Amino acid sequence: QITLKESGPALVKPTQTLTLTCTFSGFSLTTSGVGVGWIRQPPGKALEWLALIYWDDDQRYRPSLRSRLTITKDTSKNQVVLTMTNMDPADTASYFCARKDSFGPGTFDHWGQGMFVTVSS
Amino acid sequence: EIVLTQSPGTLSLSPGERATLSCRASQSVSSSFLAWFQHKPGQGPRLLIYAASTRATGIPDRFSGSGSGTDFTLTISRLEPEDFAVYYCQQYGNSPQTFGQGTKLEIK
Repeated sequence: QITLKESGPALVKPTQTLTLTCTFSGFSLTTSGVGVGWIRQPPGKALEWLALIYWDDDQRYRPSLRSRLTITKDTSKNQVVLTMTNMDPADTASYFCARKDSFGPGTFDHWGQGMFVTVSS
Repeated sequence: EIVLTQSPGTLSLSPGERATLSCRASQSVSSSFLAWFQHKPGQGPRLLIYAASTRATGIPDRFSGSGSGTDFTLTISRLEPEDFAVYYCQQYGNSPQTFGQGTKLEIK
């Protein structure tokens, strides 16, 4: 059974750095074609893809947020970490992590339940 | 980036009825890399359809996808009570991948 779960602070202040951790089980991030990504959804708005890291450490970022995002993986812990710098109230959103299998559906086929992050002073 | 426009914004139907949801892209979606997700409160989105018309593992056959180019459709043949949720389309053929704003399927 594949599961993913997001963890991190529920509240951050403007200008601070957000660090979110995705802890997963049921698959390995050393398997060819597998990746883990982050997607967010501000209240009342559409889902927005942020970043993705693949088994071979290839990293992809949303161009408009590239300067603020870093995604890393720790295969020994089955974790993927996203950091987002210079947080703003507009970054208030539900943040999801999800698995991608390039040799399967080619898109996110398993998702965590998400966690809501509020940016406020 | 490709903008996906979903219609209608809200669809009010009764169990047993047929639902037809639309997703229109601002430019052609590469190789029909178009997916549909179901999203319920407190859960992560659930992949229903990928490659425009392929059902994901475990998805009932009342869900079907069709379309190509810029126009795509998700059809639910006979609505079950558990089908009432928000549905999103996503294109993953062009970077950055993008999602539509969603269609809320509510009980009439």
